Amino acid sequence: KAGVTQTPRYLIKTRGQQVTLSCSPISGHRSVSWYQQTPGQGLQFLFEYFSETQRNKGNFPGRFSGRQFSNSRSEMNVSTLELGDSALYLCASSWGQKETQYFGPGTRLLVL
Amino acid sequence: GQQLNQSPQSMFIQEGEDVSMNCTSSSIFNTWLWYKQDPGEGPVLLIALYKAGELTSNGRLTAQFGITRKDSFLNISASIPSDVGIYFCAGPLMEYGNKLVFGAGTILRVKS
Repeated sequence: KAGVTQTPRYLIKTRGQQVTLSCSPISGHRSVSWYQQTPGQGLQFLFEYFSETQRNKGNFPGRFSGRQFSNSRSEMNVSTLELGDSALYLCASSWGQKETQYFGPGTRLLVL
Repeated sequence: GQQLNQSPQSMFIQEGEDVSMNCTSSSIFNTWLWYKQDPGEGPVLLIALYKAGELTSNGRLTAQFGITRKDSFLNISASIPSDVGIYFCAGPLMEYGNKLVFGAGTILRVKS
């Protein structure tokens, strides 16, 4: 069974731009969560989607948003990028909301 | 702030040595997860623990779910160079809607 896939793997943007990251969960998994990983803050929860609905949200500004499609694929969007948004963005999928999560390889975003 | 206190922060050990790391929290967890992350990749699930007192092994790895449900440890026996990486403990925090929270990680370096 294929694992979680994320695209693109690497991205360079400039301040003020917006970015959209994509995540395809493991086949059959319906829950997708997004995390931001930085050296200073570690792994921090962004949001979780289940059956196309946002079920949980972390403490991030409204510039961070996401959505989930009927095939469970998910996208996250960051608008008006700031330098501090440079990070590894990780997507994780699970069968249900309380099941163990499996991570993708991440998208490394660099904001210049 | 961190809901999970993970220690040690880093370890530099000789190949063949045993390794022990742990996570503690002031909150009760119903699940403890241990992940390993290689550079540039997403975390990979090593062991999942679902019951207080549970002791589970995965090859040279052994993890235990503390009786108080507020701690867990991970042991690696006879370390090898490919054990190098960052190890994270994680668990769904009930008071945060079961979102997954992570320890800060233990960086493991192995001298061959």
